[in-house]
Amino acid sequence: KQEVTQIPAALSVPEGENLVLNCSFTDSAIYNLQWFRQDPGKGLTSLLLIQSSQREQTSGRLNASLDKSSGRSTLYIAASQPGDSATYLCAVMGWRWLTFGGGTRVLVKP
Amino acid sequence: DGGITQSPKYLFRKEGQNVTLSCEQNLNHDAMYWYRQDPGQGLRLIYYSQIVNDFQKGDIAEGYSVSREKKESFPLTVTSAQKNPTAFYLCASSTSSGTALNQPQHFGDGTRLSIL
Repeated sequence: KQEVTQIPAALSVPEGENLVLNCSFTDSAIYNLQWFRQDPGKGLTSLLLIQSSQREQTSGRLNASLDKSSGRSTLYIAASQPGDSATYLCAVMGWRWLTFGGGTRVLVKP
Repeated sequence: DGGITQSPKYLFRKEGQNVTLSCEQNLNHDAMYWYRQDPGQGLRLIYYSQIVNDFQKGDIAEGYSVSREKKESFPLTVTSAQKNPTAFYLCASSTSSGTALNQPQHFGDGTRLSIL
């Protein structure tokens, strides 16, 4: 059974610092890996989707890498801003559905 | 604006009562999903539907039921058999163009269910 882990569970950084969020998964047989953002009491917003054949995906200040063989993905957020404060979840798509990690709660201090 | 609408935002259930959570989408998506999120945890899949009149159990379907009579709608019923229903419930949808498994999912704003 696929298991997805995100460490640390919470992270606090000063504004302007680069953010590095980690995600690991146990089964490398995946279709894709997705990163989401969740604001308190809200639904999820899709940030990046990396196909299993890709190594990385970029959107603006966000860059996500995928290493299927080692079961790891990293989300980089450059030059963090207070508006980046949220919970970030990664999820892997197996042959039937998405399996989510527990999320990393990020606080960017002004 | 296209999107997913979940209602109500907050819902309270009495012991022994069934309650139904609404999910409507106007994105013309074929696939729809229901997730449960407990505090500090990730999402777990309850049910999903790839097309109208068809749905499949996810990881934690016990105590829940769904229907998919229209493409736009995928209501979730939390039955009295679900002994620990207090959670945040999220509905999502995705297009089935190409390979559905490779399409991003779009989420509603959730319904928070509590026990009275």
